[in-house]
Amino acid sequence: KAGVTQTPRYLIKTRGQQVTLSCSPISGHRSVSWYQQTPGQGLQFLFEYFSETQRNKGNFPGRFSGRQFSNSRSEMNVSTLELGDSALYLCASSFRYGNTEAFFGQGTRLTVV
Amino acid sequence: AQTVTQSQPEMSVQEAETVTLSCTYDTSESDYYLFWYKQPPSRQMILVIRQEAYKQQNATENRFSVNFQKAAKSFSLKISDSQLGDAAMYFCAYKKGNAGNMLTFGGGTRLMVKP
Repeated sequence: KAGVTQTPRYLIKTRGQQVTLSCSPISGHRSVSWYQQTPGQGLQFLFEYFSETQRNKGNFPGRFSGRQFSNSRSEMNVSTLELGDSALYLCASSFRYGNTEAFFGQGTRLTVV
Repeated sequence: AQTVTQSQPEMSVQEAETVTLSCTYDTSESDYYLFWYKQPPSRQMILVIRQEAYKQQNATENRFSVNFQKAAKSFSLKISDSQLGDAAMYFCAYKKGNAGNMLTFGGGTRLMVKP
């Protein structure tokens, strides 16, 4: 059974650009969550999608958005990139909404220059 | 808001010895879950162990066990017979019950294993 797949693995963008990251959950999993990991702020929750609906949202500006498709794949988008958006973005999938473990992908390393 | 604190930024253990990583959390909820995740240099977060708050019995997974002290809001991880492959960042995480899969993480503990 394939794990959580995140693409791309590495990305370099320029300030002011926008970026889209993709996450394919484990087959059969319907919940996808996104996290930002930085040395200064640690691991912070961005948002969670279940059945194509955003169910939870962390404390991030509106430049961070996401969506989930009918096949449970999810994308997150960051517009008007800032240097501080440089981070490892982790996606986690869970079988259902609540009371289940989260399984993580290997992350996308975003560098904003 | 829930908070998770790991007071040990770095720990070191000799191969084959036992080490305990500390974690405290703050919540007013009665239904919640606690986890320990391992993040090796490959960066992929790997679930090590899970504890449901309503269970009094401490969770155990092979060489990994927890000491869950609900009243003290403490959740430590014990690694027995440490192996070189255990070297990684370890994160303690909290999840509120019946509220999706949103995890609140501690700051992490870097575990080094000496041969």
